[in-house]
Amino acid sequence: EVQLVESGGGLLQPGGSLRLSCAASGFTFSDYWMHWVRQAPGKGLVWVSRISTDGTTTAYADSVKGRFTISRDNTKNTLYLQMNSLRAEDTAVYYCARVKTGTIFTWGQGTLVTVSS
Amino acid sequence: QSALTQPPSASGSPGQSVTISCTGTSRDVGGYNYVSWYQQYPGKAPKLMIYEVNKRPSGVPDRFSGSKSGNTASLTVSGLQAEDEADYYCSSYTGSNNLGVFGGGTKLTVL
Repeated sequence: EVQLVESGGGLLQPGGSLRLSCAASGFTFSDYWMHWVRQAPGKGLVWVSRISTDGTTTAYADSVKGRFTISRDNTKNTLYLQMNSLRAEDTAVYYCARVKTGTIFTWGQGTLVTVSS
Repeated sequence: QSALTQPPSASGSPGQSVTISCTGTSRDVGGYNYVSWYQQYPGKAPKLMIYEVNKRPSGVPDRFSGSKSGNTASLTVSGLQAEDEADYYCSSYTGSNNLGVFGGGTKLTVL
C-alpha cells in the first residue's frame, strides 16, 4: 500500500524553527517528485514547495522563500521541510504529497503546525 | 501564481447533477491538460477524484467526470448522493519550473 506519514508538527512561538518529516512506503520513493502543500484553518490548499527525484531541483512559494528548505533522503525514503523564522500565517496543516505532472496521486494525513505566542 | 477561480458553493438534490467550474489562464488550465480535482471531507486529507482533465483513478465512481474548454475546467457530479457533500478543489500544472496552483475550493451541499 502506498503511504505517506508526516510527523514533526507542533506548537511554537513566532520566530521559531521546526522540521517536518514525511516517511514514504509502498512505492519507489526515488522515482517521484515530492511536494509539500499546506492548508490554513478554514482555508484552501496552497502549494508550498517541491523537490526533484534526486533532490537537486527545488521550488518554493513566494510566501516561504528564504525561510523554508525542502530536502529528501532517498536512502531513508523520507522527505523533509525545514521551517525557520516561523510566522503566525504559517499556521496550517502541512501535507506531504507524491506528485506526477502536477497531479497529487497520494496525500499524507497531514501534520498541524501552530505558530502562536 | 494566482489561484484558480472556483465558485465558493454549489448545491443539488439527491439524484441531480451539479457542475463546478475552475477558471484559470493560458499559463495553467488553458496551457496544459493536467487539471485535477480533489475531494476533501472536514478534518481529512484531500482525495484525488479526477486527473489529466477527465481521467478517474481506480475506485472513483463514474458519477464523477471532468472536462475542459479553453481556460476553464469543470467537474460534474451526476446522480448526487449524500456522501458527495464535501469541499472540492481544482488544481493545474503550471510548467516544469513552477509549483502547481489550486482553486479556492467549492463547498458542495446535497440538499
